[in-house]
Amino acid sequence: GAVVSQHPSRVICKSGTSVKIECRSLDFQATTMFWYRQFPKKSLMLMATSNEGSKATYEQGVEKDKFLINHASLTLSTLTVTSAHPEDSSFYICSARTTNEKLFFGSGTQLSVL
Amino acid sequence: DAKTTQPPSMDCAEGRAANLPCNHSTISGNEYVYWYRQIHSQGPQYIIHGLKNNETNEMASLIITEDRKSSTLILPHATLRDTAVYYCIVRVPYNQGGKLIFGQGTELSVKP
Repeated sequence: GAVVSQHPSRVICKSGTSVKIECRSLDFQATTMFWYRQFPKKSLMLMATSNEGSKATYEQGVEKDKFLINHASLTLSTLTVTSAHPEDSSFYICSARTTNEKLFFGSGTQLSVL
Repeated sequence: DAKTTQPPSMDCAEGRAANLPCNHSTISGNEYVYWYRQIHSQGPQYIIHGLKNNETNEMASLIITEDRKSSTLILPHATLRDTAVYYCIVRVPYNQGGKLIFGQGTELSVKP
């Protein structure tokens, strides 16, 4: 299947700092990518839909100023958690959509905010 | 909200078939059923998807009832490495965004 690379796999930061997570489609172009977060023992929760060249569409209850999404190219989307706090600690996962409508997921980023 | 319901957990003996049920009684005519699985602390892995007909690939088979209100994922010969959380998802149509909204999934434990 297609490969989606997510980086970093794990990050620890201090409260109040910002963290950027990258999601790359390595062998295909993805006009649409999706960002999820997942708490321990819970299911994935969709945060936003990222479309190349346009503003992201956020799910209800997700703060767009807190979670900045940029999809500047057909192979890269970034999620920036701004002014991170301990409650933002979570597993963040991206997925990218291929032209034949399949969705492939990255390996996830474990964010820990101290 | 997710449009599927699944049992929270199931056990299966190694080498036997694992049959994972899923109810999606409110599915619309143009919505596909997708199955993914997630092994602890990894991203979900695509398994199979279908619309109306039964589907089979190298990983699994998908049986969709004629009324499309339920489906079953079959892993024909489960191994210990198939232990994971399995998600049945009714995908939002492409022209409405094509999102995958995850439900709670079924935690499958394959035992020796």
